[in-house]
Amino acid sequence: GAGVSQTPSNKVTEKGKYVELRCDPISGHTALYWYRQSLGQGPEFLIYFQGTGAADDSGLPNDRFFAVRPEGSVSTLKIQRTERGDSAVYLCASSFDDRGHGYTFGSGTRLTVV
Amino acid sequence: KQEVTQIPAALSVPEGENLVLNCSFTDSAIYNLQWFRQDPGKGLTSLLLIQSSQREQTSGRLNASLDKSSGRSTLYIAASQPGDSATYLCAVSGTGRRALTFGSGTRLQVQP
Repeated sequence: GAGVSQTPSNKVTEKGKYVELRCDPISGHTALYWYRQSLGQGPEFLIYFQGTGAADDSGLPNDRFFAVRPEGSVSTLKIQRTERGDSAVYLCASSFDDRGHGYTFGSGTRLTVV
Repeated sequence: KQEVTQIPAALSVPEGENLVLNCSFTDSAIYNLQWFRQDPGKGLTSLLLIQSSQREQTSGRLNASLDKSSGRSTLYIAASQPGDSATYLCAVSGTGRRALTFGSGTRLQVQP
């Protein structure tokens, strides 16, 4: 596609529920990243995929967070037993190599846990 | 652990002024540094990418410099315009780690 697409753009969920956030990267981009951004802060790294595999998941805050990229294209970030502190904008980015060239962000999914 | 600091946190200038945004990082072992722009409610747009071996990059009215040994970068915006109003974020990638570490950004307002 022309850009990185993230769906939904907004998600409101109740505390304790499970949510899935989807990212559709630019076609041909092998690297895909998830970040989380709180108000007034820069994005914080969550996980990085090179192809289908998670090359670096050191940013995932705990085992309630999980992400997959089964065919090396679309990725899904999954959050179990959501907590109010999970509320943030979740940003996905892709790049055509693993050194950040062509780094392109999606518009994000604003997650609100009530 | 890499830490990135941006000063000032917010800046308001009249149209036409030249301005400088500052970024500092604690670990000089970086692979590259990028400057991004973020408009309210939107994702980030990459403005300039500087490799660790480079000293500066230019694009139109924007010029970014990098002094890796001192852990500093500056973004220079010439002849600012109201359309430049946005948050500007600096981010570095490490030599062994692909993830970007971001600063908190500088919120710029250019008054017409």
